Amino acid sequence: QVQLVQSGAEVKKPGASVRVSCKASGFTGYFIHWIRQAPGQGLEWMGWINPYNGVTNYAQNFQGRVTMTSDTSINTFYMELSRLRPDDTAIYFCARSYSNIDYDYWGRGALVTVSS
Amino acid sequence: QSALTQPRSVSGSPGQSVTISCTGTNSDVGGYNYVSWYQQHPGTAPKLMISDVHKRPSGVSDRFSGSKSGDTASLTISGLQADDEADYYCCSYGGGNTPILFGGGTKLTVL
Repeated sequence: QVQLVQSGAEVKKPGASVRVSCKASGFTGYFIHWIRQAPGQGLEWMGWINPYNGVTNYAQNFQGRVTMTSDTSINTFYMELSRLRPDDTAIYFCARSYSNIDYDYWGRGALVTVSS
Repeated sequence: QSALTQPRSVSGSPGQSVTISCTGTNSDVGGYNYVSWYQQHPGTAPKLMISDVHKRPSGVSDRFSGSKSGDTASLTISGLQADDEADYYCCSYGGGNTPILFGGGTKLTVL
C-alpha cells in the first residue's frame, strides 16, 4: 500500500535550518515534490527530485535556500530549508507525482514553526 | 511568476452546480493542457480531483468536471453535497523558473 510518512513537527529559530523527511513505501521510482502551506494560506510549490539520478528543480523563490535529496536505499526523501524566517512557518508536504503535476499520494505534512 | 487567480469563495445549495475559475496566462494555463484541481478539507492533505484539464482519477465522482478556455481553467461541481464543502486549488504547469504554479484557493461553502 502506498504511503508517504513524514517526520514530526519542528520549532526553529530564525536563521536556523530544518530538514523534513518523507519515507515512501509501496512504490519506487516516482518523482517526489515538496509543497508548503502557510497557516490559513494556499499551496506553494517548492520543487521536485528525480529519485533515479537525484536531479532537482527548485522554485525560484527557494533557490539558494532549499536542498532536496533522496536516499534510495531506504526510499526516503529529504527537504532542507536554510536561513529560516518567520514567514517560513508552514506545513510542508511531500507528494508523489505520477504524471507532470498530478499528485496522487501526499504525506500528512510536517509543521515547521519559525519563532524567536 | 504569480500564483494563478481564483475567486476567494463560492457558494451553492445542495443539488446545485458551482463553477470555480482559475485564471493564468498564455505561459501557464493557456500554454499547456496541464491543469489539475485539488480538494482540501481542513486539517488534511489535498486530494487530486481533476488532472490534465478534464480527466477524473479513479474514484473521483463524475459530479466533478474540468475544462479550459484560453488562459482560464474551470472546475464545475454538480449536484452539490455537504461533503463538497472544502478549499479547492488549481495547479498548472508554467515552464520558466517556477514551472509549477498553484492558485490562491477557493473556499466552497454548501449552504
